[in-house]
This record gives sequence, structure tokens and C-alpha cells, in this order.
Amino acid sequence: AQSVTQPDIHITVSEGASLELRCNYSYGATPYLFWYVQSPGQGLQLLLKYFSGDTLVQGIKGFEAEFKRSQSSFNLRKPSVHWSDAAEYFCAVGGYNTDKLIFGTGTRLQVFP
Amino acid sequence: SAVISQKPSRDICQRGTSLTIQCQVDSQVTMMFWYRQQPGQSLTLIATANQGSEATYESGFVIDKFPISRPNLTFSTLTVSNMSPEDSSIYLCSVETAVQTNTGELFFGEGSRLTVL
Repeated sequence: AQSVTQPDIHITVSEGASLELRCNYSYGATPYLFWYVQSPGQGLQLLLKYFSGDTLVQGIKGFEAEFKRSQSSFNLRKPSVHWSDAAEYFCAVGGYNTDKLIFGTGTRLQVFP
Repeated sequence: SAVISQKPSRDICQRGTSLTIQCQVDSQVTMMFWYRQQPGQSLTLIATANQGSEATYESGFVIDKFPISRPNLTFSTLTVSNMSPEDSSIYLCSVETAVQTNTGELFFGEGSRLTVL
């Protein structure tokens, strides 16, 4: 079955600390992987995506993610978190020639000053 | 990219009534998608709306409950019919731009938060 697992429901970090949000997927074909962020009261904004090529992808707002096929993972990282990064983060998987994304349940990030 | 506007942004509705959510895109797009985000949960695809054809509904969603219109390439509506408290959710419109078709890269509206009493 196709699925996305985000094992951390809620993460709290101090401003300036590093961050890693975990994402594992199950997908029957070559996956296209995405991270979206949803700020309070807002829609979803695309942070970064992986289709092919270099397994370390850079996104907006200083985020990066690494695709590890052997681990079926696509973890999101940021070296130094800012208070404005507090939001809900969703990992999603799709595939070639499909418009349908499967979303994880999200990780809520809280940042303390 | 695409700029997507949704109306209403939020509403409080009475049980048994229906509400129509509008989605306007600033450019022509082939595919428009409607998602539901129930409280504390992830996004679930309701249906895919193509201009000039019937919407395609996902398992668990039916046209009688969620009728969708797609009159042109920049606009779509989703109606939530005969609402019950279980329909309290955020409803999100999303599109895939012509540049990124069939990749799953979506742009989202800000959502319509419905509360059903």
C-alpha cells in the first residue's frame, strides 16, 4: 500500500537549534517526494521537492532534504531554526504521470526563543 | 507558480445546510483538486476537477455530498451538502500548473475553514 509516515507528531526546538523532521514512505514505483509547510491559518506552501538526480535537495527558507532510497526516507533538515519556522510540516509522495499526492499526517513544529 | 484565492475563508454553518466554496486561480490550469483537512489530520483528496468533464471522486466521497463545478480553466466550486458536524474541516483547493503537469507539484489556496454546529 502507498503511504507516508511522519513519526513525530509534535517537535519543540529552541531558536537557533538544528532541526530534522522524519518522513518514511511506501510507494510502488519511483517516488516523487515533497515537503510542504502550513503556517497557522494558511494554505500549504511547497518547501522542496525531489524527482530525480542529486539526493540532497535544497528548498526555500534554508531547508534541505535528503532522499535515501535504501531507507525509504526523505527527512527534512535545517541547521538553525528561526521562530518564524513554527508551523505544520507535511511530507508527501507522488509518482511519474500522476497528479495525486499522498500526504503524511504532519509534524507540528514549535520554536522557543 | 499560481495564486489561488478561496472564498469564504471561514464560515460557521448550521446542520443540514449546504455551502459552496469558490476557488479562483490567476492563470489557466488543467487540473484542479479539492482536499479536506479534518482537525488534527492530514490532507485527503476529495476529487479532481477537469474543465468540461465530470469530476473524478476518490473512494469515500460522492458527488451528491460534494458536487463540484468547473466551468472554465481558472475557476471551480465545491459544495458541501447537507452538512453535519463531521464535515467541520478545512477545505483546500489546489492546482498543478501547466509547467509541472503530472508531477504532483501542487499549489494550494489558503483554505476554507468550515465549522458545522
